[in-house]
Amino acid sequence: EPEVTQTPSHQVTQMGQEVILRCVPISNHLYFYWYRQILGQKVEFLVSFYNNEISEKSEIFDDQFSVERPDGSNFTLKIRSTKLEDSAMYFCASSVKRGGETQYFGPGTRLLVL
Amino acid sequence: GESVGLHLPTLSVQEGDNSIINCAYSNSASDYFIWYKQESGKGPQFIIDIRSNMDKRQGQRVTVLLNKTVKHLSLQIAATQPGDSAVYFCAESSGNAGKSTFGDGTTLTVKP
Repeated sequence: EPEVTQTPSHQVTQMGQEVILRCVPISNHLYFYWYRQILGQKVEFLVSFYNNEISEKSEIFDDQFSVERPDGSNFTLKIRSTKLEDSAMYFCASSVKRGGETQYFGPGTRLLVL
Repeated sequence: GESVGLHLPTLSVQEGDNSIINCAYSNSASDYFIWYKQESGKGPQFIIDIRSNMDKRQGQRVTVLLNKTVKHLSLQIAATQPGDSAVYFCAESSGNAGKSTFGDGTTLTVKP
């Protein structure tokens, strides 16, 4: 069964450093998403992406964040200058359609900012 | 703004019993609802979904009920098994909004 994959599974970084989280969505999916989950809290939407453009973003997704689809398979989330409060699990998801369709989640990247 | 919430943060049941996990939502424009299961250290896993033109949908051992009048959603798990122990999230999306808005999660513990 096709699945969303994410790398790395864990990332430890120093505050102020840049990190890039990588995702490979399911191959026939057209819509891509990033979510984050701070330990013990609910999953929060960050950004959605379609046709090489951001479709929607939340208040969390400020100028420090960016997304890119550098090739036909990868979807990345970059945090330019990490802060302590960026420590969380980051989940990538993809779906065939935009609204009202199942989103399939990857296993997540656990980011720890020291 | 919209919010999705669950009534109880934890639920403990005996193996073999039925489990009911509840969720309330506030956005009356929501038209698609999903239940996810999240095991420790893993991403949310799709369990079952329901659209707003339905009030009940059944899967394998799971049933989702939707009451649009009171904006309430529930997940019923029949004959709960130890492997069902996880955090369960309800989520909603509306119309063309691609994002899913998640509730707070209920931790289900199944006692053998």
